[in-house]
Amino acid sequence: ELKVEQNPLFLSMQEGKNYTIYCNYSTTSDRLYWYRQDPGKSLESLFVLLSNGAVKQEGRLMASLDTKARLSTLHITAAVHDLSATYFCAVQETSGSRLTFGEGTQLTVNP
Amino acid sequence: DTAVSQTPKYLVTQMGNDKSIKCEQNLGHDTMYWYKQDSKKFLKIMFSYNNKELIINETVPNRFSPKSPDKAHLNLHINSLELGDSAVYFCASSQDLAGFYGYTFGSGTRLTVV
Repeated sequence: ELKVEQNPLFLSMQEGKNYTIYCNYSTTSDRLYWYRQDPGKSLESLFVLLSNGAVKQEGRLMASLDTKARLSTLHITAAVHDLSATYFCAVQETSGSRLTFGEGTQLTVNP
Repeated sequence: DTAVSQTPKYLVTQMGNDKSIKCEQNLGHDTMYWYKQDSKKFLKIMFSYNNKELIINETVPNRFSPKSPDKAHLNLHINSLELGDSAVYFCASSQDLAGFYGYTFGSGTRLTVV
């Protein structure tokens, strides 16, 4: 059974700082997704990573995928308060299979 | 113009009741899903349908029955509601089973069983 682990689960950081959220998964996959969820809201798609070495950037967020290490990272650069949310990674083992989510990382950016 | 819409947004009901949640997508996607998010925010798939055909049926009590009248709609009916069914239920869709273009989630239905 595919397991997806994120760390840290809780992250409190100051504005202007950099940090990385890690997503490890247990079986072969080349499809990884990052989502953002604000309190009481739906999941907003951030990145779709579909191959080894894929790197995508949007604003202060950059995501990468290393399929050999079974690891994805979400890097935050110069954090701002608006980035406060819960971030989920999700892995699809093979085409047509279920999307397995990590536990989520609750990020709080303090002024 | 909402891409994936769920109704109702909130549902409070007593134990033992039967309730339905409806989902519609206007994206022209072939595949739709139901996910459950528990109180610790953990998300787990319940069902997926591709062109009205059931593809994934996770270990979910028989009290939960999905129905897809057409590929734009996926409804969830729950019989004999229990306290443990309290959660947020998200509907989602993807262009196809491959998920190359990602998944679009609805706004969620917060179900509270009292």
